[in-house]
This record gives sequence, structure tokens and C-alpha cells, in this order.
Amino acid sequence: DTGVSQDPRHKITKRGQNVTFRCDPISEHNRLYWYRQTLGQGPEFLTYFQNEAQLEKSRLLSDRFSAERPKGSFSTLEIQRTEQGDSAMYLCASSPTGERNQPQHFGDGTRLSIL
Amino acid sequence: EDQVTQSPEALRLQEGESSSLNCSYTVSGLRGLFWYRQDPGKGPEFLFTLYSAGEEKEKERLKATLTKKESFLHITAPKPEDSATYLCAVQAWRASYNFNKFYFGSGTKLNVKP
Repeated sequence: DTGVSQDPRHKITKRGQNVTFRCDPISEHNRLYWYRQTLGQGPEFLTYFQNEAQLEKSRLLSDRFSAERPKGSFSTLEIQRTEQGDSAMYLCASSPTGERNQPQHFGDGTRLSIL
Repeated sequence: EDQVTQSPEALRLQEGESSSLNCSYTVSGLRGLFWYRQDPGKGPEFLFTLYSAGEEKEKERLKATLTKKESFLHITAPKPEDSATYLCAVQAWRASYNFNKFYFGSGTKLNVKP
């Protein structure tokens, strides 16, 4: 049983550079979520996909952030012109649809450090 | 405003010393409450789902309970390997797009000393 996979695990970049993260959800899950987590805090919701459609975006997701899920499988999260405040762990989660609300299953995240 | 509060922020226990973690919430349209465990450098790992007041779930030394306003995670005779951050999340219904949104608390960092 393969879980949610995220790549890379760590990314160090200079301020102003663009970065892109990838998430491969559990194969039969059609719902995919991105979260951001800073030290000592719980995950904060960023955006949600159902299949290839991006259906909800948090106000945390500024214009510098964009997410895609082109074929309803893997997803990418891009941050343009990175800033110091973007340093965080970026988590991806997926869940299936079902009669009762399903838990979200998380990957191990991409830790982003902005120099 | 939807809010999830966990207490205490940190908890140090001796091995075998039982205790409880608290998760209180103010969320409209609650659909479920979830407990996760998170180890350093890892993503949250799902533990339990609770859907209605009075419900209880157990797994090894952990037992989760739910009331209308809060949930407790009871840890009985903990071991050092239970050391982790325990996160609570509430799932609230958003009618648009058939979307259940998760709100996480800040977690309780548990340290169990041998």
C-alpha cells in the first residue's frame, strides 16, 4: 500500500527564486489537499482539488502561489518570487470520497528554507 | 469563527504515567473530529475518527472520546515510543463543492521519559 509521496523532501533556495513541489496521492483518492505548517503550529489549509478541478483556495494562497492537478492524479504547488515568510513545511494529503467523511492521509512534506 | 484549541501545548510524563490531552472546538457544521500523530520531520499519521458525541475509539494505549464541545485523547501507561505531537482536526461541511474542510489545532507535544 503506497502512501502519499512528496518530492523533494527538502528545498533550500534564495529569496526571489521560484520553487515547485510535487505530490503523488494514494492512487484511488480523487481528493487532494495542500497545507502549510510552521514550527509549533498545526497544518493550515491552502487549497483543495477534486479530480483535476481546484475547488477551494485559502486566503493564505497569495498570487505568488499556484497549484495544479492536470490529469487528476499528481499535483504541483509552485511558489514564485519566494520570500522569507514562505519558509515552512508544505504538506500534501489525499482522501477518497465515501458515504462517511474520510480521513485525510498525509505525505511527509517538503521542507522549504529561504535563505 | 471556526477554531480548534489544544491543551496543554506540551506534556512531559514518566513511562507508565497516564494522562489526557484536550481538544476543544467551535466549528459550525461539524462533520467529524480526527486525531493524528506527528513525529519530527514527518507528516501527520491518522489515528482516529469520531463522528458524534459519546463516541469512543481505542487503539493500543490510546483512547479518544468526543463530547459536543471537546474531545479527549487518553493515554494509558505510556511508553517512550508514544512521544510525538498529537494533532486534533475538526472537519466542517462547506456546502459549495461538497467540500469538508479540516481545521487543525496547534497540537500537544508529548514527551514520555523512561
